Amino acid sequence: SQQGEEDPQALSIQEGENATMNCSYKTSINNLQWYRQNSGRGLVHLILIRSNEREKHSGRLRVTLDTSKKSSSLLITASRAADTASYFCATDAGTDKLIFGTGTRLQVFP
Amino acid sequence: DAGVTQSPTHLIKTRGQQVTLRCSPKSGHDTVSWYQQALGQGPQFIFQYYEEEERQRGNFPDRFSGHQFPNYSSELNVNALLLGDSALYLCASSLTGAPLHFGNGTRLTVT
Repeated sequence: SQQGEEDPQALSIQEGENATMNCSYKTSINNLQWYRQNSGRGLVHLILIRSNEREKHSGRLRVTLDTSKKSSSLLITASRAADTASYFCATDAGTDKLIFGTGTRLQVFP
Repeated sequence: DAGVTQSPTHLIKTRGQQVTLRCSPKSGHDTVSWYQQALGQGPQFIFQYYEEEERQRGNFPDRFSGHQFPNYSSELNVNALLLGDSALYLCASSLTGAPLHFGNGTRLTVT
């Protein structure tokens, strides 16, 4: 079963705009990770945020975590056509077993 | 440095048959996890192997079994295939506590 939900399910934006996607989860976690998946291919790890962290940056990515609300958000700034992909959050309760969300499909138009 | 490699890339089987999928982890990684991803869904955890033992298992029936070899490579076996087993099967390798590195998956179609 999925750990939680992501919203929106799909997002379409123009190049240069920012994209924000949200993830909610159900149980206590050790860390939360975001992955990207290009159509029909494997997932690529983007960023990991630990339960005692509130915000983390990596290049054009900004991730926030609110453990009281059991939610996280991923912000991609100045999006590019190459950012077109599905984005998944995944939670780890400290067992190295990742539970993935339902994903957000991002389409960036040139 | 090769990443995670999976074979075959595509496979078509008939209901009731058995299938074996293979995975070679990224060099230096000792843990292999298998995930099933149905179309339009997020990956679901099947099981994880470490030191040739199944360390954790998700909510999958016993028809799904696996193995890890001394060189850390792994196999996923599915018996008595059902139409609902059609999915992308993803292998991921890692070191304990580190993010996963995924292969490009095996697309299994059951007819």
